[in-house]
Amino acid sequence: DGGITQSPKYLFRKEGQNVTLSCEQNLNHDAMYWYRQDPGQGLRLIYYSQIVNDFQKGDIAEGYSVSREKKESFPLTVTSAQKNPTAFYLCASDRYNTEAFFGQGTRLTVV
Amino acid sequence: ILNVEQSPQSLHVQEGDSTNFTCSFPSSNFYALHWYRWETAKSPEALFVMTLNGDEKKKGRISATLNTKEGYSYLYIKGSQPEDSATYLCAFFSGGYQKVTFGTGTKLQVIP
Repeated sequence: DGGITQSPKYLFRKEGQNVTLSCEQNLNHDAMYWYRQDPGQGLRLIYYSQIVNDFQKGDIAEGYSVSREKKESFPLTVTSAQKNPTAFYLCASDRYNTEAFFGQGTRLTVV
Repeated sequence: ILNVEQSPQSLHVQEGDSTNFTCSFPSSNFYALHWYRWETAKSPEALFVMTLNGDEKKKGRISATLNTKEGYSYLYIKGSQPEDSATYLCAFFSGGYQKVTFGTGTKLQVIP
């Protein structure tokens, strides 16, 4: 079955560490997105990619980095420069502006 | 940064009541509007994909309308049930193949 897989579901990070969140899709979608959700707030766009080897900053890109070496994969790295990384992270993909499909999300906590 | 707003932010209704909420978006450069339903601990799932001014879509007790000229879409739920409790998100696509902008969502709780 086609879909989007995010891993891990829960992630704990020590202060000052970089961590990478995985997002893989087998839907043959061109566009992929990373969103962040904080309690009581909506989804905010971190980065998006419309084609392989190209990506654009979203509204809250500072402290994050991404890569898009393969169509299927769009990993997000939360760097030590992100001052408040504790949040729920959601990956999505879509094809030519059809409905988006979402992963199950990763809950990142700084300990 | 595109301004996509949803109202109200949260809503409590009694079982059996009908309810509706709003998604407002820029009226220029419209391409499509999607509605998603997001239950706690699950992925958002698509409800409707709306592309034409005047579109009306229906799925069971849930329906949606679209007005691209004035920049709003309504989502209606008839005879709310506890299983309708979720956050309802709208997503705005602007002119052509560009990134989607989500609204902040309306959190609906249906009280038995």
